[in-house]
Amino acid sequence: AQSVTQLGSHVSVSEGALVLLRCNYSSSVPPYLFWYVQYPNQGLQLLLKYTTGATLVKGINGFEAEFKKSETSFHLTKPSAHMSDAAEYFCASTYQKVTFGTGTKLQVIP
Amino acid sequence: GAGVSQSPSNKVTEKGKDVELRCDPISGHTALYWYRQSLGQGLEFLIYFQGNSAPDKSGLPSDRFSAERTGGSVSTLTIQRTQQEDSAVYLCASSSRPGWNTEAFFGQGTRLTVV
Repeated sequence: AQSVTQLGSHVSVSEGALVLLRCNYSSSVPPYLFWYVQYPNQGLQLLLKYTTGATLVKGINGFEAEFKKSETSFHLTKPSAHMSDAAEYFCASTYQKVTFGTGTKLQVIP
Repeated sequence: GAGVSQSPSNKVTEKGKDVELRCDPISGHTALYWYRQSLGQGLEFLIYFQGNSAPDKSGLPSDRFSAERTGGSVSTLTIQRTQQEDSAVYLCASSSRPGWNTEAFFGQGTRLTVV
C-alpha cells in the first residue's frame, strides 16, 4: 500500500525567504511523485512531477523538488517566496492510483 | 472537452435530501477519481474508476454515498439522505492512464452545503 505524509499543515514564511514544504512517501515500489498547488477558490493544478531520470525536478513559478530514495522524500522548495505563492500544496504519489497527502497551506508574510 | 467539468459548481441542499454531483472527464481519459475536501482537511479519496474494471470504492465514507460511471465517461456521485457533515467541496479528476507517470487533471469542484 502507498501513503503520502506531508509534515506541517500550515507553513508561514516571510516574503523573500526560502520555502520548504516536506513530503515523505511510503510505497512498496518506487512511485511517481507529484506536487499540486491549489490557489484560493480554484482547482488543483500540477506544479511538477518526478517520473524517472534526474532526481531534481523543476516546475512552474520557480519551484523545484528533489526525489531522495534513501530518505523516501520529495520535498518542495523555492529560494525566494512571493506573495503570490500563498496557496495550499499537495504532494501525491501514483503507482496504481493517485494518493494525496493532506496538504500544506503556505502563508507568505509581507 | 478541454478540461474536467463538474456541475453544479455550488449546491445547497436541505438535510435529508439526496444530491447528485456530475463529472465530465477529459475525453479519452480512462481513469476517474472523486475526492472530498472538507474545511481544514486534506483531500479525502472517495472512489476510483479505471476503464471497465470494478471501481475502487474503499474511500466511500458510508453506504449513503455511491457513484457510477456510464459508458466509461461521465460519472455521477450520489449522496443520499445528506447530513451536515457531508458539506464539503467534491473534486473530480481524470487521467489518461492508471497510476504510471500521468498527472491527474482536476475539475473546479462542486461546493456542497447541507443546511
